[in-house]
Amino acid sequence: NAGVTQTPKFQVLKTGQSMTLQCAQDMNHEYMSWYRQDPGMGLRLIHYSVGAGITDQGEVPNGYNVSRSTTEDFPLRLLSAAPSQTSVYFCASSRRFLEKGNQPQHFGDGTRLSIL
Amino acid sequence: GNSVTQMEGPVTLSEEAFLTINCTYTATGYPSLFWYVQYPGEGLQLLLKATKADDKGSNKGFEATYRKETTSFHLEKGSVQVSDSAVYFCALKRADGLTFGKGTHLIIQP
Repeated sequence: NAGVTQTPKFQVLKTGQSMTLQCAQDMNHEYMSWYRQDPGMGLRLIHYSVGAGITDQGEVPNGYNVSRSTTEDFPLRLLSAAPSQTSVYFCASSRRFLEKGNQPQHFGDGTRLSIL
Repeated sequence: GNSVTQMEGPVTLSEEAFLTINCTYTATGYPSLFWYVQYPGEGLQLLLKATKADDKGSNKGFEATYRKETTSFHLEKGSVQVSDSAVYFCALKRADGLTFGKGTHLIIQP
């Protein structure tokens, strides 16, 4: 089982560059999300999607764009990288999120991103 | 708003010691509560969960009880092993995602 796959695992960018972090899941999950993990901050929600064609902002969306053209993929785009976006990024998915039953979130292994 | 507060550590224990990691929360209503574990270089894995007051979640010898009176969800294990060394996150469920605590780094020495 592949689960949630994130690429790349590591990336170094210069300020102002753009890039896309990839996230794919093979579990037919409706809900997908992106978090960033910073030292002493825990994880914070950037954007999420409850299905193909539907996305919404989380706690810290500024500087990031997302799209959900298929159920499987949920890429995160940095339009103009800034040093403040240096972080570890995690993609997570679950079968459904808002319904009762509390399906567990499945996390990818993360992308460690450094902005110089 | 929603928030989760947990002891940050690092917490260093000897093998076979008793473990408690405190977690308290602030939320509207009674959200589902979770403990996640993160091993070095990996993503987060669900350790246990509780969906309503007085529920006890348990897994791999770890336990946590949802206490609405004290708004707490403390993680416990009777006898820790070196392999339990990891970062542990307490979290609550919101309508759009999860609110995480800052994480507790647990180090178990042989």
